[in-house]
Amino acid sequence: EAGVTQSPTHLIKTRGQQATLRCSPISGHTSVYWYQQALGLGLQFLLWYDEGEERNRGNFPPRFSGRQFPNYSSELNVNALELEDSALYLCASSLGVGTDTQYFGPGTRLTVL
Amino acid sequence: QQQVKQSPQSLIVQKGGISIINCAYENTAFDYFPWYQQFPGKGPALLIAIRPDVSEKKEGRFTISFNKSAKQFSLHIMDSQPGDSATYFCAAGSNFGNEKLTFGTGTRLTIIP
Repeated sequence: EAGVTQSPTHLIKTRGQQATLRCSPISGHTSVYWYQQALGLGLQFLLWYDEGEERNRGNFPPRFSGRQFPNYSSELNVNALELEDSALYLCASSLGVGTDTQYFGPGTRLTVL
Repeated sequence: QQQVKQSPQSLIVQKGGISIINCAYENTAFDYFPWYQQFPGKGPALLIAIRPDVSEKKEGRFTISFNKSAKQFSLHIMDSQPGDSATYFCAAGSNFGNEKLTFGTGTRLTIIP
């Protein structure tokens, strides 16, 4: 069974640009979560999508946004990039609302210059 | 109220020894406590998880001890091996339509021969 996949593996942008990160959940999973892992820090919750709707978001500015497609894949968009947005962005998926186990992808390393 | 405090930040244990990582939480609504293991360049992988209705859960060499009254839980790795060298994250979540995980800041574990 294929795990959570993310693309691209690495992404280099400059300040003010926009970044788009993509995630494909495990087959059969309807919930997708996005986390930011800055260097030396823990994982900070960004967004949760289930059945195409945003269910919850973390304490991040509105320039962090995303969506979930009918096939349950998801993308994370970060507008007006700032240097401190440089981090590993992790996507996780789970079976859906009320289930707990989240399975993580390998992440996208975003570097903002 | 949403914090999960993890200690120590780093830990060095001799091969064959016991590795112990501790976490404490504040939000009494948390009812799910997973531990994740992360190797460099990889996403976190679920190691073991516990719910508050039991005080201990064991899977192979890995044991979670849970103290509900103290709002603390810990991971014990018995007979630690060099292959256990990784970063370990505790997390906490609740199932009240708010299925995000709140992570600790991580413990870098190094097992020396």
